[in-house]
Amino acid sequence: DTAVSQTPKYLVTQMGNDKSIKCEQNLGHDTMYWYKQDSKKFLKIMFSYNNKELIINETVPNRFSPKSPDKAHLNLHINSLELGDSAVYFCASSQRQGKDEQFFGPGTRLTVL
Amino acid sequence: KQEVTQIPAALSVPEGENLVLNCSFTDSAIYNLQWFRQDPGKGLTSLLLIQSSQREQTSGRLNASLDKSSGRSTLYIAASQPGDSATYLCAGSGNTGKLIFGQGTTLQVKP
Repeated sequence: DTAVSQTPKYLVTQMGNDKSIKCEQNLGHDTMYWYKQDSKKFLKIMFSYNNKELIINETVPNRFSPKSPDKAHLNLHINSLELGDSAVYFCASSQRQGKDEQFFGPGTRLTVL
Repeated sequence: KQEVTQIPAALSVPEGENLVLNCSFTDSAIYNLQWFRQDPGKGLTSLLLIQSSQREQTSGRLNASLDKSSGRSTLYIAASQPGDSATYLCAGSGNTGKLIFGQGTTLQVKP
C-alpha cells in the first residue's frame, strides 16, 4: 500500500551510460515532482508535472528528461551520465498543484563511477 | 527569489525537553510552508503543512506556526523523545508547488 514508490532504490553505473528511474503514486494525485538531494543533503526541485503537463523545468541539463505516461507515473531518464549526477533522487506527489501537502517517495540513490 | 534558512544546523537535547526549530524565508508571498522529517538514508516524511491562510497546525506533540509578515516559521516539539532524532526540513512553496528547502536542522535527543 505504498503511496509513492520509486524503482530502483539503488543504481550504480558507469559514466556515459543512460539510465531511467521510475516513480508511481497510488494516491490519485494530479501533480508529481522530481527533486535532487546532493552530497551536502541539499534538496532542490528539478521538474513538476500537473495532469501529464510539464509545469516546472528548473535549470537542469537537457541530459535529464522526465516523462509522464499518465497521472500516476513520472519517470526520469538521464543520458550520458556524469560523476556530478551522483545524488539521491526523490519523487513526490500532491493532490493539486501548489495547494496541497507533498508526499515523497523513498528515493533512488544514484552512484556514477 | 525565495530563500529558506534553518537555524540551528544541529541541536542536541536531553530527553523530555521541549524545543523549537526555526525556519526563515525571504519572500512573504509564500503559498504553503511544509515541515518534513528525514531519517538517515531514508526519504522525507511530511509532518505538517501550513497553508498561507493559516497561522499554525498541530499534530500530536508537534506544533508549527507561520508568520508571513516576519518571514518565519517555527516547529515546536513537546516532551522530546530519542525517536525524534532526525533531520527536520522546512520548505516553502509558491503557487506552482515548487518547494524551496532549507538546509535542515539535525536533532539528537539523548536518553
